[in-house]
Amino acid sequence: KAGVTQTPRYLIKTRGQQVTLSCSPISGHRSVSWYQQTPGQGLQFLFEYFSETQRNKGNFPGRFSGRQFSNSRSEMNVSTLELGDSALYLCASSSGTDRSYEQYFGPGTRLTVT
Amino acid sequence: AQSVTQLDSHVSVSEGTPVLLRCNYSSSYSPSLFWYVQHPNKGLQLLLKYTSAATLVKGINGFEAEFKKSETSFHLTKPSAHMSDAAEYFCVVTGGSYIPTFGRGTSLIVHP
Repeated sequence: KAGVTQTPRYLIKTRGQQVTLSCSPISGHRSVSWYQQTPGQGLQFLFEYFSETQRNKGNFPGRFSGRQFSNSRSEMNVSTLELGDSALYLCASSSGTDRSYEQYFGPGTRLTVT
Repeated sequence: AQSVTQLDSHVSVSEGTPVLLRCNYSSSYSPSLFWYVQHPNKGLQLLLKYTSAATLVKGINGFEAEFKKSETSFHLTKPSAHMSDAAEYFCVVTGGSYIPTFGRGTSLIVHP
């Protein structure tokens, strides 16, 4: 099986711009979660989508949003970028059928905001 | 509510010696517990998971972890470290919700 893929791998944006990141989960997985990883805050949960519906949401401002398509692919969008949004954004997929599920992570998108 | 504490931010060992990475958790519900490894510039890879079956869990690459409810711990061990084990390790708990809580990570340094 192909793993989780994320595009693009690297991105440089300017403050105030917006950005869209993409994630393709493992075939058959219906849950996609997004995380932000920074040296200061560690790994923080952004949101989870399951069957095109946002099932869980972390404690991030409304500038961070996402969606999931019928083929389970997911996108996350960050509007009005701030310097503090510079981070590694990780996507993870799972079967999502119960809370004991393990997640399979993509390689991440490295976002740099200047 | 749930939380995870990884007791060491860095652990340094010599190649061939045992590895111990410590993790304590709290959860209002019967937890599911995971260990993930992250090599530089890579995503996270699952090492092992505990989901209320056997308390001693064996994972990939010779790692194992023991769930101790009385101590609320889930420490990760390996009998003999390899240079390729040098990476960041994350302990994760999932309790009553689907939202996993990650520890801050332990950086494992392996000296030749």
